[in-house]
Amino acid sequence: ETGVTQSPTHLIKTRGQQVTLRCSSQSGHNTVSWYQQALGQGPQFIFQYYREEENGRGNFPPRFSGLQFPNYSSELNVNALELDDSALYLCASSLYKGQGDEKLFFGSGTQLSVL
Amino acid sequence: QKEVEQNSGPLSVPEGAIASLNCTYSDRGSQSFFWYRQYSGKSPELIMFIYSNGDKEDGRFTAQLNKASQYVSLLIRDSQPSDSATYLCAVKGSGGSYIPTFGRGTSLIVHP
Repeated sequence: ETGVTQSPTHLIKTRGQQVTLRCSSQSGHNTVSWYQQALGQGPQFIFQYYREEENGRGNFPPRFSGLQFPNYSSELNVNALELDDSALYLCASSLYKGQGDEKLFFGSGTQLSVL
Repeated sequence: QKEVEQNSGPLSVPEGAIASLNCTYSDRGSQSFFWYRQYSGKSPELIMFIYSNGDKEDGRFTAQLNKASQYVSLLIRDSQPSDSATYLCAVKGSGGSYIPTFGRGTSLIVHP
């Protein structure tokens, strides 16, 4: 158990809909990262939030957006869902100290299916 | 484009053997290297990290880093069926980027 919780665990949506995924970071952590993991692939970085600001973004379109709240919890929003958005969405929290050795602690993920 | 390459496997080893998992990376300035284990249907779990050239041992796990050749490996001694999982290599690059790039993972099967 990492102390990182995600909700919901599973979600089924139809193409064109919007979805919000939620993450509570581990106590004492100040950074949240979101990853998309397709079946048989490694996690692909979506974006990272530090002190409520986006701190880096991967190669994902603007319809992927996020928020980080003062308590360091976070949301991932995806608009205009496409079939290819079907994947496991992972939230990872870490303690950013500016030293490059921060370790990621993952939540159990949200399995999103787009029909 | 920073790349992290892993053989997807599966790598099959008998129980008690040494499993050797390899990872190469393209960013020569990479500083931090991580190995995560992911059981089927579960999320990744950090098992090893290494920053300096050479070997780092933790129980049955040994991480090996060779920055000149740009590869990092994970050795699992006395492999157990419970070690059967996908092993993900993650690399943090240079230039102030603290975002790790993951490989696609290597599937390990330890058979009795």
